Amino acid sequence: GDSVTQMEGPVTLSEEAFLTINCTYTATGYPSLFWYVQYPGEGLQLLLKATKADDKGSNKGFEATYRKETTSFHLEKGSVQVSDSAVYFCALREGAGSYQLTFGKGTKLSVIP
Amino acid sequence: GAGVSQSPSNKVTEKGKDVELRCDPISGHTALYWYRQSLGQGLEFLIYFQGNSAPDKSGLPSDRFSAERTGGSVSTLTIQRTQQEDSAVYLCASSLTIGSGYTFGSGTRLTVV
Repeated sequence: GDSVTQMEGPVTLSEEAFLTINCTYTATGYPSLFWYVQYPGEGLQLLLKATKADDKGSNKGFEATYRKETTSFHLEKGSVQVSDSAVYFCALREGAGSYQLTFGKGTKLSVIP
Repeated sequence: GAGVSQSPSNKVTEKGKDVELRCDPISGHTALYWYRQSLGQGLEFLIYFQGNSAPDKSGLPSDRFSAERTGGSVSTLTIQRTQQEDSAVYLCASSLTIGSGYTFGSGTRLTVV
């Protein structure tokens, strides 16, 4: 079945540091890939997505590129802020007509001033 | 409503009691999903409703779990004879149609003591 593996946290960075959160996936077809963010006390919010190979999703300074050859969708940001402290989830959805999301376990990011 | 509303936000119950969790999706969203987020785990799919179609209950972990969606809008997730392993955050999401982006609620944190 489908699965998503992301780097375990927690990750602690200083403000303005470079962020990478690794995500790899296993899927039978050609999934859409997502990054969700969960701020403390809130629900999950879609951060960015990519629907086909070589697509780059971007939002709020975060980027991730759909790499079919390495089955990866790593999240990056060049300069993190304290307000980026949250839990980040990588997820996939199999196929255009599929509705179920398969999530990774989440990576907690703490950014210190 | 403007977002997905879940109630209660927190629930503490004694082992063996029944609990009901409520989800009010975004008006007009035909698809509704329940996920469970357990400590140290990713999000686990529970159940999916789409319009008047029969729900996909394939993710429900046992027959103590059930859910209904009345009038294609509000949904209730019921857990009977709660066990300590049911302690988790229960997240509801809705989407306009199958395959379109999810909007998550803030969740209900259930603690079984």
